[in-house]
Amino acid sequence: AQSVTQLGSHVSVSEGALVLLRCNYSSSVPPYLFWYVQYPNQGLQLLLKYTSAATLVKGINGFEAEFKKSETSFHLTKPSAHMSDAAEYFCAVSETSYDKVIFGPGTSLSVIP
Amino acid sequence: EAGVAQSPRYKIIEKRQSVAFWCNPISGHATLYWYQQILGQGPKLLIQFQNNGVVDDSQLPKDRFSAERLKGVDSTLKIQPAKLEDSAVYLCAWRGQMNTEAFFGQGTRLTVV
Repeated sequence: AQSVTQLGSHVSVSEGALVLLRCNYSSSVPPYLFWYVQYPNQGLQLLLKYTSAATLVKGINGFEAEFKKSETSFHLTKPSAHMSDAAEYFCAVSETSYDKVIFGPGTSLSVIP
Repeated sequence: EAGVAQSPRYKIIEKRQSVAFWCNPISGHATLYWYQQILGQGPKLLIQFQNNGVVDDSQLPKDRFSAERLKGVDSTLKIQPAKLEDSAVYLCAWRGQMNTEAFFGQGTRLTVV
């Protein structure tokens, strides 16, 4: 069965510092992996996705993630945090392009000026 | 957000009342999902439709929740009777045949008092 874990329910970084949000998954097949961002009172917006092409994936707003099969990880990074990055971030997995999408519990990112 | 309209945006009801949510995705997208997101948690899949048929409703509390998809396009989710623990945001999402990711609406925030 698919599942997603996100280490750290709350992460605080200073403005301009590196952002690192952790995601580990389990899947019986090579998965599709996603990072979504959610701002208050909004739906989920796709940041980036891994679909078995390049292992280093670049997304919107300067975020990127690296798929590491040996570690079953898909950590999200951004070199320099901006105040506008404060939001809830969700890692998700799907076994096919038409299967259910399973979400992790989320990580709340705070950016300190 | 990409072509998914949900209504209403907010709803407050008393426990034991009934409520219905509507989802209007872009026409022609085969897969539709309903998720429940309780405050501070990741979205949890309630039901997945493929065209008009139900693919996965294993997490749907069928004694009180029901959902249907009309003509493979619009969908409604109903709760009858509502309980306090049903307070959450209900998210609708779609996934097209040429898409690997799911696109989300802004959700309906339900408060049961």
